[in-house]
Amino acid sequence: AQSVTQLDSHVSVSEGTPVLLRCNYSSSYSPSLFWYVQHPNKGLQLLLKYTSAATLVKGINGFEAEFKKSETSFHLTKPSAHMSDAAEYFCVVSDLMASGYSTLTFGKGTMLLVSP
Amino acid sequence: EAQVTQNPRYLITVTGKKLTVTCSQNMNHEYMSWYRQDPGLGLRQIYYSMNVEVTDKGDVPEGYKVSRKEKRNFPLILESPSPNQTSLYFCASSLGGRLTGELFFGEGSRLTVL
Repeated sequence: AQSVTQLDSHVSVSEGTPVLLRCNYSSSYSPSLFWYVQHPNKGLQLLLKYTSAATLVKGINGFEAEFKKSETSFHLTKPSAHMSDAAEYFCVVSDLMASGYSTLTFGKGTMLLVSP
Repeated sequence: EAQVTQNPRYLITVTGKKLTVTCSQNMNHEYMSWYRQDPGLGLRQIYYSMNVEVTDKGDVPEGYKVSRKEKRNFPLILESPSPNQTSLYFCASSLGGRLTGELFFGEGSRLTVL
C-alpha cells in the first residue's frame, strides 16, 4: 500500500529566504508524485508533477521538486519565498492498481508561513 | 473557462435534514471524486466515479451517497447529516479513467451540521 508523509505540519520562513517542504513516500511500483497548493478559501491547485521523466521537476511560481528514489523523497523547494507563497501544500502519490486504474494518496499537508 | 463548480459554498444545517451538494465540471472529464478536509487529517476521499453510472467507495464513505447519471455532474448526498460530517468538502475531476493524478478541484463547500 502506498503512503505519504509530510514531515512538517508548519514551516515558517522570512520573505526572500529559501523554502523547503519535505515529503517522503512509500509505493509498491513506480509512482507518480505531485505537489498541490491550497490558498485560503480556495481549492487545491496543481503545482508540479513527476511522472518518471526528469527527476528534477519545475513547477509554477518558481517551485521545483526532486524525485530521489533511493531516499523515497520528493521535497519541494523554492530559492526565495514571496509573501504570496503563504498557503498549505500537499504532497500526493499516485500508484497503479492491478485493475489498471490509479489511486491517489494525499499527505496531511504543510502550512507555509511567510513573514515580512 | 475550464472549472469545477460546487454549490452551495457555505451551508449550515441541522442534524437529520437531508442535503445535497452539487458538483459540475465543464471539461468532459471521466473521473470525478469527493473529498472532505479536516484539520490535521488532510484530504480523505469519500466516493469516486470512473465514468457515468460507475461509482465506488473511497476511504470514508459512511453517511454519504453519490450518483453519476451524466458525465458532468456528481452530486454528494447526505441523507441524514450528523455533526461529525461538519467539514470542508471538495469535488475534483480528472481526464481519463486511468487517473493521472492531475486533479481539478472546485473551491470547496463548507458544511456545518448543528
